[in-house]
Amino acid sequence: LAKTTQPISMDSYEGQEVNITCSHNNIATNDYITWYQQFPSQGPRFIIQGYKTKVTNEVASLFIPADRKSSTLSLPRVSLSDTAVYYCLVARLGSGTYKYIFGTGTRLKVLA
Amino acid sequence: GAVVSQHPSWVICKSGTSVKIECRSLDFQATTMFWYRQFPKQSLMLMATSNEGSKATYEQGVEKDKFLINHASLTLSTLTVTSAHPEDSSFYICSARLAGYGETQYFGPGTRLLVL
Repeated sequence: LAKTTQPISMDSYEGQEVNITCSHNNIATNDYITWYQQFPSQGPRFIIQGYKTKVTNEVASLFIPADRKSSTLSLPRVSLSDTAVYYCLVARLGSGTYKYIFGTGTRLKVLA
Repeated sequence: GAVVSQHPSWVICKSGTSVKIECRSLDFQATTMFWYRQFPKQSLMLMATSNEGSKATYEQGVEKDKFLINHASLTLSTLTVTSAHPEDSSFYICSARLAGYGETQYFGPGTRLLVL
């Protein structure tokens, strides 16, 4: 199964833009890239998903280069409430269905 | 849309008892649901894939006789921790797959299990 690699942790200040990059060198042609946010004692929350180029929604942007071996989640003007763990995931076909294998995630800490 | 619920949100039980956790997709049908376990400060670990109407597929190292999974309908999957022991104490999270674009999974809020 392909593996994703992200920085273990990042610090930022309120109001700044935060970019978290994920490496997925073994991504397959049919794979999508999905990002989740998780707060302590809660289930992961879907943020954004993309296949190539750029995707933007009301909370984030996702940049995917042409080779798709990496992706960057961009959070504009973060606030203290954005302090959380962010996971980059690529769905993998296994045992007849697609499944996620979670990596370490990136622990983002937003400072005042 | 795409809301997944879990019940109970937390449970405390005595060692040796069995505990059932329910996972429901509230506004969509899910032919596939997944069960994860998460220990403090660690990432989610996939335990098993639950397919409606068929046997669950367990990940390597997960005891299928201890963690019984039933996916009886397109909106409900249950995880039963049988003969629970303190080492089974953990945060259990389910997800439901929204078929189609991107194979997106939507996660439940999680169930905190404490075995005394």
